[in-house]
Amino acid sequence: QVHLEQSGSEVKKPGASVKISCKGSGYIFNGYSLNWVRQAPGQGLEWMGRIDTNTGNPTYAQAFTGRFVFSSDTSVNTAFLEINSLQPDDTAVYYCARDRCKGATGCHAFYWGQGTVVNVS
Amino acid sequence: QTVVTQEPSFSVSPGGTVTVTCGLSSGSVSINSYPNWYQQSPGQPPRTLIYNTNTRPSGVPDRFSGSILENKAVLTIAGAQAEDECVYYCALYMGSGIWMFGGGTKLTVL
Repeated sequence: QVHLEQSGSEVKKPGASVKISCKGSGYIFNGYSLNWVRQAPGQGLEWMGRIDTNTGNPTYAQAFTGRFVFSSDTSVNTAFLEINSLQPDDTAVYYCARDRCKGATGCHAFYWGQGTVVNVS
Repeated sequence: QTVVTQEPSFSVSPGGTVTVTCGLSSGSVSINSYPNWYQQSPGQPPRTLIYNTNTRPSGVPDRFSGSILENKAVLTIAGAQAEDECVYYCALYMGSGIWMFGGGTKLTVL
């Protein structure tokens, strides 16, 4: 079965960087795009963007350009989210979520990781 | 910038029916928006309830259904149960590879 295992909680100082991971198992990793979703404390879900794990091509939502970098390493079936120049309002749970299907327009986040807490203070 | 709109909260009696809507601040929701609905309990990741407007993944009870009505995506919960007290999010495809979540609807069952 599809499983997404995310890395553990992080505590960082403002201005630092963090790189969190999302390891896929139970499926062919480079067959499906992975989405990144942010949830600030007490707030809703924000779609940050996605990475095509086959090509490595990222797509960023407008609010997440510049300091946010998506990458993937198919040799270890893992996608990464790097956040640079961390700010206190980056404090959130970050989820990865695999697309339901391959390549078609309507494919979107279906299988979810457990989330990674990033605390910036 | 266009935003995805949802009711902030709803209350429903046990066994009752509730409809949660998902619209656009500018424009209409259609099947080409590929509406997805997610359910989130406190401290848990979201769970996919509905995709492509009205398709339920296996394991999702049939009291949950999706549709499009009057230019909005709609999530209907028929026969609400106590465990349905969660936050519900919709996600819409905005074009050019971009998706957007609604702000979420907190459902209270009482």
